[in-house]
Amino acid sequence: SQQGEEDPQALSIQEGENATMNCSYKTSINNLQWYRQNSGRGLVHLILIRSNEREKHSGRLRVTLDTSKKSSSLLITASRAADTASYFCATDARFQKLVFGTGTRLLVSP
Amino acid sequence: GAGVSQSPSNKVTEKGKDVELRCDPISGHTALYWYRQSLGQGLEFLIYFQGNSAPDKSGLPSDRFSAERTGGSVSTLTIQRTQQEDSAVYLCASSLVESQPQHFGDGTRLSIL
Repeated sequence: SQQGEEDPQALSIQEGENATMNCSYKTSINNLQWYRQNSGRGLVHLILIRSNEREKHSGRLRVTLDTSKKSSSLLITASRAADTASYFCATDARFQKLVFGTGTRLLVSP
Repeated sequence: GAGVSQSPSNKVTEKGKDVELRCDPISGHTALYWYRQSLGQGLEFLIYFQGNSAPDKSGLPSDRFSAERTGGSVSTLTIQRTQQEDSAVYLCASSLVESQPQHFGDGTRLSIL
């Protein structure tokens, strides 16, 4: 069964705007990872945040983790058309395999 | 650099035929995963290999599905007596060790007529 659920399922914004995607999960985790998938391609790892971390940055990406609420958010600042893709969160629970969420489809219009 | 390579990239076959999908992981990666992704959907875990340990087959949907990993490197996913509901993109990923970020191939798009 799916561990992570992303919200919203789809998001449409203009270039330059920020995009925020949320992920909720059900069980305790070791870490949470975010991946991007361009159409027709495999997934690409973006960022990993450990359970003892609350916020992490990588370039225009900002990830937060709230273990008390079992949720994470991915913020993409100053979005570009090239950011158009599906974004997935994946949770790594102790002694469990990585479990992927259902994904958010992001469309960034020029 | 060499990433995860999957072949074929596309496969069209008739219902009832057997198919073999191949995955070449990144050299040195001990963990290898197979996933299935239906159109516009998330990833469905199929099977996981870690080193010399027995594979985790808990995601295989039926006994028509099997996979092996030879010499700790190349993996083959076999689907016997294919059905139309097997149509999907099959993705392979590898990681250095379990729980580390996974590196994905571009998948094999399987279409069953």
